[in-house]
Amino acid sequence: DAKTTQPNSMESNEEEPVHLPCNHSTISGTDYIHWYRQLPSQGPEYVIHGLTSNVNNRMASLAIAEDRKSSTLILHRATLRDAAVYYCILRDVIQGAQKLVFGQGTRLTINP
Amino acid sequence: KAGVTQTPRYLIKTRGQQVTLSCSPISGHRSVSWYQQTPGQGLQFLFEYFSETQRNKGNFPGRFSGRQFSNSRSEMNVSTLELGDSALYLCASSLLPRGNQETQYFGPGTRLLVL
Repeated sequence: DAKTTQPNSMESNEEEPVHLPCNHSTISGTDYIHWYRQLPSQGPEYVIHGLTSNVNNRMASLAIAEDRKSSTLILHRATLRDAAVYYCILRDVIQGAQKLVFGQGTRLTINP
Repeated sequence: KAGVTQTPRYLIKTRGQQVTLSCSPISGHRSVSWYQQTPGQGLQFLFEYFSETQRNKGNFPGRFSGRQFSNSRSEMNVSTLELGDSALYLCASSLLPRGNQETQYFGPGTRLLVL
């Protein structure tokens, strides 16, 4: 399974944008980049995923570097509810089966 | 639509006992995966079931087993419990196991404490 590297923790202020980085230098051409987050005392929840192009949804934006060796999850206007552990995951089309390989993730703290 | 449900939510067992955890996927979802979360090891994949068949298994001893029923509900069993089995056990469901794009929806987990 391809590996991802994320900072252990980050801190931001409410209503400000947050940029969560992820390095995946060994990514293969068929790996999709997925982001999940885990709020306190809850199971992980899906945030966004992409392959090559930048992606937007109601929760966040995903910016993928041109060489795909890194990506950034962008929360445009953080709220206290966005305080969570964010996981960047690579999923390989060859795997087929539903196996998510979680790293340690980034613990995001939002200050009021 | 109801989310993934897991029962029980909390459980206390003693070493040597066995435990069965249950997971009901989102209606219509046919793939169910199980994960173990501990402070030391983080989130680790246990196994995945689709159409009552185990399709993938993580690196856990044979004491950990599971099954899936025809209605897609799943159970996992841990026999001869050890202290290190204390963890949050998470179940996730997805519509179909289409691999690299399929979103998994997680339940709230069952917190198991082994004394």
